[in-house]
Amino acid sequence: AQTVTQSQPEMSVQEAETVTLSCTYDTSENNYYLFWYKQPPSRQMILVIRQEAYKQQNATENRFSVNFQKAAKSFSLKISDSQLGDTAMYFCAFMKKSGGTSYGKLTFGQGTILTVHP
Amino acid sequence: DGGITQSPKYLFRKEGQNVTLSCEQNLNHDAMYWYRQDPGQGLRLIYYSQIVNDFQKGDIAEGYSVSREKKESFPLTVTSAQKNPTAFYLCASSIRQGHTEAFFGQGTRLTVV
Repeated sequence: AQTVTQSQPEMSVQEAETVTLSCTYDTSENNYYLFWYKQPPSRQMILVIRQEAYKQQNATENRFSVNFQKAAKSFSLKISDSQLGDTAMYFCAFMKKSGGTSYGKLTFGQGTILTVHP
Repeated sequence: DGGITQSPKYLFRKEGQNVTLSCEQNLNHDAMYWYRQDPGQGLRLIYYSQIVNDFQKGDIAEGYSVSREKKESFPLTVTSAQKNPTAFYLCASSIRQGHTEAFFGQGTRLTVV
């Protein structure tokens, strides 16, 4: 079984600054995906970024980037030039890549509430 | 527009009653999922289905039941056997093959009164 841990229940940042959210995971799998999802006050889950475990290059989506350390089982999210609209709860999630009945299932961390201050 | 629709947005249930949460998708996705969200615990998987007429228990299936008679529909019944049903419930879907992410509905807030 997989576990995902987010050790920061709450974080805050000033508008235009950079913030990093931490995530660690535990798995015996070698092929998997890692995700960061954003849940704003509307509670709609929105995919922020995805990383495939076999890719060494860190994923980047505009102001969002990850630091993926496979050996350390660490997957942090960096948000640059923070905006007020980034205020949300952020979830780190794990998904096994293939095979069996576990395909497509997501295992989530506990979430980090991020507040961006003006 | 394609997407996942959950209804109702808010639902109130008297203790001891069963209640069914609706989830419909028009994305032509094979797989569908139900998650429960509680404060401080993230999302936990209740049930999932990868194909019509087949579904499997997730991590917290006790007190819940599902059906998958149509590809686009995956209703969740919260039975009276569920000890702590008050929670936020999220439905999701994904393409069964490939590496795409899951798409989520807007959720249903269930409150037991």
